[in-house]
Amino acid sequence: NAGVMQNPRHLVRRRGQEARLRCSPMKGHSHVYWYRQLPEEGLKFMVYLQKENIIDESGMPKERFSAEFPKEGPSILRIQQVVRGDSAAYFCASSPVSKSPEQYFGPGTRLTVT
Amino acid sequence: AQSVTQLDSQVPVFEEAPVELRCNYSSSVSVYLFWYVQYPNQGLQLLLKYLSGSTLVESINGFEAEFNKSQTSFHLRKPSVHISDTAEYFCAVSPIIQGAQKLVFGQGTRLTINP
Repeated sequence: NAGVMQNPRHLVRRRGQEARLRCSPMKGHSHVYWYRQLPEEGLKFMVYLQKENIIDESGMPKERFSAEFPKEGPSILRIQQVVRGDSAAYFCASSPVSKSPEQYFGPGTRLTVT
Repeated sequence: AQSVTQLDSQVPVFEEAPVELRCNYSSSVSVYLFWYVQYPNQGLQLLLKYLSGSTLVESINGFEAEFNKSQTSFHLRKPSVHISDTAEYFCAVSPIIQGAQKLVFGQGTRLTINP
């Protein structure tokens, strides 16, 4: 059973460009979470999605950031007009059912904004 | 709301020595508790969890953690560490309420094992 997949693993963008980060949950998992890890800090929750629904986006910055989890295909975290402060590791996690507290993490996407 | 405090940002120990990584939390509701480990340039791996039942939980590689409700703590211990335990360790909680919930993480503790 493949784990949570994220791509790309490393992404370099210039200021003002768009970044698209992809996450494929584990097989059978329908819940996806995105977390951001800034340098020398712990992980901070960004958004929780189920298929075609955003359940909790309380951790998402109000502007430039969006997330989706379509019926088919991976979950996408999109950052428009990136700035240097967006440089971080972005982790996706998945869980199987709504009552399962365990989350399984992908390897992360390391975004560098130059 | 929940918060997690890991009291030590870095813990250096010698190989085969015991270690304790401290974790305290604050929450107005009951929580599940977790320890995750992050090896360099990798994602997080679940090390152990407390959901219910016995307050002492163990991992397959010799770590254990004890849930202390009165002290709101979930400290991680290992009686004898190995070089391969060098990693960053994160304590996390999620509230026990209906539906899946986000994890709230501590700042992390970097464990460095010296030969």
